[in-house]
Amino acid sequence: ETGVTQSPTHLIKTRGQQVTLRCSSQSGHNTVSWYQQALGQGPQFIFQYYREEENGRGNFPPRFSGLQFPNYSSELNVNALELDDSALYLCASSYLSGTDTQYFGPGTRLTVL
Amino acid sequence: EDQVTQSPEALRLQEGESSSLNCSYTVSGLRGLFWYRQDPGKGPEFLFTLYSAGEEKEKERLKATLTKKESFLHITAPKPEDSATYLCAAANQAGTALIFGKGTTLSVSS
Repeated sequence: ETGVTQSPTHLIKTRGQQVTLRCSSQSGHNTVSWYQQALGQGPQFIFQYYREEENGRGNFPPRFSGLQFPNYSSELNVNALELDDSALYLCASSYLSGTDTQYFGPGTRLTVL
Repeated sequence: EDQVTQSPEALRLQEGESSSLNCSYTVSGLRGLFWYRQDPGKGPEFLFTLYSAGEEKEKERLKATLTKKESFLHITAPKPEDSATYLCAAANQAGTALIFGKGTTLSVSS
């Protein structure tokens, strides 16, 4: 069984640029959630996708957007990067939406200069 | 506002010295309480899910318990390889988002 994978592992961008992060969900899972984890903090919910539709959103501005594809993989796009966007971005997959256990990928470390 | 608070922030133990980590939550209509382990620079690794007060789950040296206001992660006779940050998360009534605490960083020395 393949676990959750994310790419790239690390990324360095400058303020104002745009970035796309990618996630492949665990086999058999149809729901993907994205979280932002700043250093020393717990993960913060960005949004969740279920069967290609946004299924919930946290307190993040519209410049954070996402997609889910028919194979349940997902992208997180961030426009107009700010210094505070520097963080570990985590993708988690689960089966069905709701409280089913979310399994996390290794994360993408984004640094904004 | 839904909130999860973990204590202590950091805990140093000697190998074999048992202790407990606390997770208190104020979440409307709790639908699940989750424990994860996170090593530096890596994604959280799932440990346990608890759904109702009184429920307990065990895995090796770890045991998680749940009350109506708190969850505890008990670590019995820890080893250095148990050193990590332990995260607690709650799923609210909507069930889409996990609300995380800041974590407890555990260091076990031999």
